[in-house]
Amino acid sequence: ETGVTQSPTHLIKTRGQQVTLRCSSQSGHNTVSWYQQALGQGPQFIFQYYREEENGRGNFPPRFSGLQFPNYSSELNVNALELDDSALYLCASSRDPGGSTDTQYFGPGTRLTVL
Amino acid sequence: KQEVTQIPAALSVPEGENLVLNCSFTDSAIYNLQWFRQDPGKGLTSLLLIQSSQREQTSGRLNASLDKSSGRSTLYIAASQPGDSATYLCAAYQGGSEKLVFGKGTKLTVNP
Repeated sequence: ETGVTQSPTHLIKTRGQQVTLRCSSQSGHNTVSWYQQALGQGPQFIFQYYREEENGRGNFPPRFSGLQFPNYSSELNVNALELDDSALYLCASSRDPGGSTDTQYFGPGTRLTVL
Repeated sequence: KQEVTQIPAALSVPEGENLVLNCSFTDSAIYNLQWFRQDPGKGLTSLLLIQSSQREQTSGRLNASLDKSSGRSTLYIAASQPGDSATYLCAAYQGGSEKLVFGKGTKLTVNP
């Protein structure tokens, strides 16, 4: 069983640029959630995708957007990058969106640095 | 709005000591409470998941308890080892939403 993978591992961008982060969910999982973790903080929920549709969104501006593909992999896009977007971006997959009986399995994360 | 707090923020103990990490949450309407481990710069590893109807879960040297009425969970680590050094995060899966709400974590250092 393949775990959750994310690419790239590290990324350096400058203010105003756009970035795309990618996530492959664990085999058999149809739900992907994205989290942002600033240094010294707990992860903050960005949004969740279930069967290619957005299924919940946290307190993040519209310049944070996402996609989920038929194979349940996902992308996180961030436009007009700001310095405060520097963080570890975590992707998590689960068997269903309810989450009541199953944990979310996290990938290793993408470290984004905005200069 | 759910808020999750973890105390202490950091903890340093000698090897072999038993220890308790604390987690509190403000809204008891949770589906489950999860404990994760995070090594520096890495992703999260799930340790234990306690359903809202359960009181505790055990895995090896780890035991997690849940008291919804008081809004508290504890993670007990027995006979700590240097390899246990990491940041431990608790997260509440909120009823009616699709997200985990995390605390800021407790950074544990186990000294040989």
